[in-house]
Amino acid sequence: GAVVSQHPSRVICKSGTSVKIECRSLDFQATTMFWYRQFPKQSLMLMATSNEGSKATYEQGVEKDKFLINHASLTLSTLTVTSAHPEDSSFYICSAGQGVGQPQHFGDGTRLSIL
Amino acid sequence: QQQVKQSPQSLIVQKGGISIINCAYENTAFDYFPWYQQFPGKGPALLIAIRPDVSEKKEGRFTISFNKSAKQFSLHIMDSQPGDSATYFCAASGPDKLIFGTGTRLQVFP
Repeated sequence: GAVVSQHPSRVICKSGTSVKIECRSLDFQATTMFWYRQFPKQSLMLMATSNEGSKATYEQGVEKDKFLINHASLTLSTLTVTSAHPEDSSFYICSAGQGVGQPQHFGDGTRLSIL
Repeated sequence: QQQVKQSPQSLIVQKGGISIINCAYENTAFDYFPWYQQFPGKGPALLIAIRPDVSEKKEGRFTISFNKSAKQFSLHIMDSQPGDSATYFCAASGPDKLIFGTGTRLQVFP
């Protein structure tokens, strides 16, 4: 089956630090990748849609200058949380699909803790 | 119109019993309905999915029932096992993104 790898699995850092999270599709090419945020005991909230070779599409209320997304190749998308603060602490999950209406496959998430 | 309503919020089932989780949607443009299983600290894993031209799909102990006219779909887990204890999310897919339900925390007791 389709495998999506996310790295790192856990990050603990000081307030003001920028943190980069990588999402890779290991055995298929993903023209579109998605970034989600999940708070404890809540559902997944879509933050942005990452399209290979073009700018990401951000959901309403998500600061694009705060959450920088790059999708430079068909197998790699990155999310950079810039100048992270404690309120950015959350579980960030990426997913990748092979096209419209096709299954999305999720990474194992990154637990970000900002002290 | 973009919401997917999921119930119940939590479910306790005895081992061997049937677990049933229900979802409802409004947007008739949705054309793909997956179910995801999530264990603590992990990403969601695709469990089973259905398209609106089919009323039922079964894979092992997991069955999706789909009622297009009522805009409802449900997940049935037969012979529920303690290892099925997890959070389950229904979702609906439009042309550009997945909309997730609010999740159901399932606990299966021996």
